Amino acid sequence: GAGVSQSPSNKVTEKGKDVELRCDPISGHTALYWYRQSLGQGLEFLIYFQGNSAPDKSGLPSDRFSAERTGGSVSTLTIQRTQQEDSAVYLCASSRGTVNTEAFFGQGTRLTVV
Amino acid sequence: QKEVEQDPGPLSVPEGAIVSLNCTYSNSAFQYFMWYRQYSRKGPELLMYTYSSGNKEDGRFTAQVDKSSKYISLFIRDSQPSDSATYLCAMSGTTYNTDKLIFGTGTRLQVFP
Repeated sequence: GAGVSQSPSNKVTEKGKDVELRCDPISGHTALYWYRQSLGQGLEFLIYFQGNSAPDKSGLPSDRFSAERTGGSVSTLTIQRTQQEDSAVYLCASSRGTVNTEAFFGQGTRLTVV
Repeated sequence: QKEVEQDPGPLSVPEGAIVSLNCTYSNSAFQYFMWYRQYSRKGPELLMYTYSSGNKEDGRFTAQVDKSSKYISLFIRDSQPSDSATYLCAMSGTTYNTDKLIFGTGTRLQVFP
């Protein structure tokens, strides 16, 4: 596909369950970002992958959150033991990774924890 | 204090008005400054990108960066109802592997006919 693809687009889960959110970046993009956007809020940085370097995990809010990027392409954000405050839109973006090219965003995954 | 501060609005203006959107920041390492536009239930899309201080114009949009004041602005001339969206400023530094984008909270703009 031409753009960043995220799945699922919507996810409703029960409190305490684990969820996995998937991001397919644009082919050839070495940088991949995850952000969280709560209602009426800006984009909260979660994690950043750049090529083969160690990811910048400084934005992950707790150890219930983790992310991996396999083969430098697809990324999965996992939230364990979900809480109601995890409800938000999770946005993924990718870029060519050179200083500072445009980051292209996916449509996001709307997560609702009930 | 957040690294990037942005008035959340909402800002409501009549069609044809000049709109001024602003962000302030605290990290002097930021060198790249961007404005993203986000329509409801969509991902953000890049509008303008500026390196260091100065102005950049693209059609009805002008981005300004004043690094000495740590202040950036986006001006929209002849605003249209289709400009109604949330506008997010974003910034990053220059060091390789630390060019993660830091966003403001976004300003919601409504342009009414």
